[in-house]
Amino acid sequence: SAVISQKPSRDICQRGTSLTIQCQVDSQVTMMFWYRQQPGQSLTLIATANQGSEATYESGFVIDKFPISRPNLTFSTLTVSNMSPEDSSIYLCSVERLAGDSTDTQYFGPGTRLTVL
Amino acid sequence: SQELEQSPQSLIVQEGKNLTINCTSSKTLYGLYWYKQKYGEGLIFLMMLQKGGEEKSHEKITAKLDEKKQQSSLHITASQPSHAGIYLCGADRPSGSRLTFGEGTQLTVNP
Repeated sequence: SAVISQKPSRDICQRGTSLTIQCQVDSQVTMMFWYRQQPGQSLTLIATANQGSEATYESGFVIDKFPISRPNLTFSTLTVSNMSPEDSSIYLCSVERLAGDSTDTQYFGPGTRLTVL
Repeated sequence: SQELEQSPQSLIVQEGKNLTINCTSSKTLYGLYWYKQKYGEGLIFLMMLQKGGEEKSHEKITAKLDEKKQQSSLHITASQPSHAGIYLCGADRPSGSRLTFGEGTQLTVNP
């Protein structure tokens, strides 16, 4: 498996501001994803972070609200823009297809707990 | 779209008891994953099942995928407080590798 870190681990933000969350993997991976987990709910996929091109967003999520970067095979960022209290969630990055891994297992980072006041 | 239903939604057991969590899909499962999440934290990968009738075990946790590949169960033997957390099943989407998740089962193990 991979070692996945996220920064920050948690943050409390004011309405209307933006927060960028970083995801770093200790090995090259083919696929990186961003999920949201709202309080008391399961995970919802926001987008697939594509290396060198625009992210692929799921229905209900748009680039203006959740811009994503993926400059290389080990790093990605998710920005939550113009935040409102409804954006309070845990944001998780996940990775798949590590070098040498023949399975499609997804591994998850520790998450970023965001509270918007 | 693929929908996964987990049951029960929550479970409270005494330490040492056995328990089972179920995950049922409305469609054929191409890959079924079990994860454990401690409150407010990330997901820990437990097991992946792909073949009908497949069964895997790790320590005191056993997961099975039925022959029709529409239901999976997670069984914990002689539960311990360290087993407490939220158990999530996730399924591969036929169109790609992105996962759909069940609502989760909150497990509490009382000492």
